[in-house]
Amino acid sequence: GAVVSQHPSRVICKSGTSVKIECRSLDFQATTMFWYRQFPKQSLMLMATSNEGSKATYEQGVEKDKFLINHASLTLSTLTVTSAHPEDSSFYICSANGQGYEQYFGPGTRLTVT
Amino acid sequence: GIQVEQSPPDLILQEGANSTLRCNFSDSVNNLQWFHQNPWGQLINLFYIPSGTKQNGRLSATTVATERYSLLYISSSQTTDSGVYFCAVGAGGANSKLTFGKGITLSVRP
Repeated sequence: GAVVSQHPSRVICKSGTSVKIECRSLDFQATTMFWYRQFPKQSLMLMATSNEGSKATYEQGVEKDKFLINHASLTLSTLTVTSAHPEDSSFYICSANGQGYEQYFGPGTRLTVT
Repeated sequence: GIQVEQSPPDLILQEGANSTLRCNFSDSVNNLQWFHQNPWGQLINLFYIPSGTKQNGRLSATTVATERYSLLYISSSQTTDSGVYFCAVGAGGANSKLTFGKGITLSVRP
C-alpha cells in the first residue's frame, strides 16, 4: 500500500516552453501533497505544499507564478513549470500523506531544459 | 526552522560489516522518517520513527526524542545497501512538511 506515482519519469523541453508533471496517490486519498526539488549530490528542498481544493503554500524563494501547482482531487496534484529555462533543470519529486504523519514519495521526474 | 544534521557524510564499508548512521535535530518533532534513495532517485521508506525502536530485517532504528537524535543501524551490509540515506523530520500536525538532512552516502564494497 501507499504507492505514489509520477508522470513523466523524464522530460526534455526547449527553453521557453512549459512542462506539466503529475503526481498521483494510487491506493490512498492524499489530503496533502508536497513538491520537492533535488539538484545533483544535494538534499531535497521543499518547494510547496498543496492541499486538495485550496491554493498551494510556497516556500520562501520559490516563484509561485513560475511553478504552478494544482491539487484538484484527493489523488492528483500537478506541477507546471512555466517558461522553463536551463536553470530549472532538476529532479522533481512529489510526496503525499493521507491521514497520518508518514509521507510517501513518488519516483521523481528528471527535467532537462535545452 | 528545525535544523537536521546527519553524520558521517560519507561511509565506505566492506560487505558484511555493520554501520550506524546518526541524525541530530534541533527541536521537538512529531515526525521522523528514514529513507534510502536508490540510484534511480526513488526514496524508499525505511522507518517512521518519531520515538522508540523498530526493526525490519537487517535494519533497525532508534529515536531518543528527549535527546533529539535518531540512529539507523545496518547489519551485515550488502552491496545493494549502497546509496544515500536521508533523515527527515517534521514538527507540525499530521500533513505537515518535512525538513531533510543532507544525507549520508553509503558505499558497500564487495
